[in-house]
Amino acid sequence: DTEVTQTPKHLVMGMTNKKSLKCEQHMGHRAMYWYKQKAKKPPELMFVYSYEKLSINESVPSRFSPECPNSSLLNLHLHALQPEDSALYLCASSQEAGTEYGYTFGSGTRLTVV
Amino acid sequence: DAKTTQPPSMDCAEGRAANLPCNHSTISGNEYVYWYRQIHSQGPQYIIHGLKNNETNEMASLIITEDRKSSTLILPHATLRDTAVYYCIVRVAISQGNLIFGKGTKLSVKP
Repeated sequence: DTEVTQTPKHLVMGMTNKKSLKCEQHMGHRAMYWYKQKAKKPPELMFVYSYEKLSINESVPSRFSPECPNSSLLNLHLHALQPEDSALYLCASSQEAGTEYGYTFGSGTRLTVV
Repeated sequence: DAKTTQPPSMDCAEGRAANLPCNHSTISGNEYVYWYRQIHSQGPQYIIHGLKNNETNEMASLIITEDRKSSTLILPHATLRDTAVYYCIVRVAISQGNLIFGKGTKLSVKP
């Protein structure tokens, strides 16, 4: 298995809802990442997990809460989002956080906040 | 991490080689050059990376100048499916989490 799987592919949520995005990989990678991508912009790094511990939080608002329950799974919990949080949320993984090798990205979850 | 400069857009005829340039004049000695691409509505895809030497894989070739201040990604026989945004990124491999995307080059392959 050489893929990063993200679910759901599309999500529409209200500003008072609580939802979660899920990311899974079975490549034995020990680093996992969340990126946010607005339309026609490059992806922006949000969080980095290394060996299931949060190692980088790029000053992301607390309404985004990441969780890494095990080495294969990464969640992003969403609460009280704003319409401007609508974006494509991408998950990625790599062998290690400090590896020379490339990242494998999932296809993303397209989030719309109404 | 060093910044990169890429042309915003390029066109290429189908079947011809696509040569995508990247300037990284402030690159440090321990920074690698990476190329990723993103086809519309998909996640980015790793293409190739290198430190000093030219590199080739099944997808592309990476040519790095001797002074390492610039590089070129070569897709030898571009197809319509190669239409995508191509990102050139420089990063220190032994640091964490800093795969930082710039604006990239939108490559349009035309019949």
